[in-house]
Amino acid sequence: NAGVTQTPKFQVLKTGQSMTLQCAQDMNHNSMYWYRQDPGMGLRLIYYSASEGTTDKGEVPNGYNVSRLNKREFSLRLESAAPSQTSVYFCASSDGLAAYEQYFGPGTRLTVT
Amino acid sequence: AQSVTQLGSHVSVSEGALVLLRCNYSSSVPPYLFWYVQYPNQGLQLLLKYTSAATLVKGINGFEAEFKKSETSFHLTKPSAHMSDAAEYFCAVSDRSNYQLIWGAGTKLIIKP
Repeated sequence: NAGVTQTPKFQVLKTGQSMTLQCAQDMNHNSMYWYRQDPGMGLRLIYYSASEGTTDKGEVPNGYNVSRLNKREFSLRLESAAPSQTSVYFCASSDGLAAYEQYFGPGTRLTVT
Repeated sequence: AQSVTQLGSHVSVSEGALVLLRCNYSSSVPPYLFWYVQYPNQGLQLLLKYTSAATLVKGINGFEAEFKKSETSFHLTKPSAHMSDAAEYFCAVSDRSNYQLIWGAGTKLIIKP
């Protein structure tokens, strides 16, 4: 049981490049999330997927797109990376929303130069 | 809008001393409340949560938190700190109609030998 896995672990991009962060969970959870973590700011929700086939914007969606490929996988795409997107990105999953525990992946450390 | 305030970006205690990490929230109705812990270079994991049962909630690793509606607080405590408790701790709140967790900025707990 791997839980939540994320690839890659580290990535360096130049401004304007694109990339996709991959996330998969093997807990049969309905809901999945993408967060970014910046020093002193806690976690901020980028996008979430309440269930397979649905996605919605979170607090900071600008510059990102997501795809809920199936129940297991939820990817995050940066179409044209900017230095302001330098951050640590976490994927999480849960059985449902609100009261349910979220399970986190190990994170992707992204640097945009 | 909901908000979460964690008092103190860094808290330092001696090994064996009481740990007290403070969390205050703003909400018009009693929310769901969570404490998560993040060890260096890892994702977050749930310590404990309050979802309207007992106001004193016990979690993993000897931590507990008390929900005080009158003070809009959910402070985290542990009677005796251990070196392995050194980590960053995040308080989060979710209202009962909202899927999103709103996160505090985090408190880094430092344990002095």
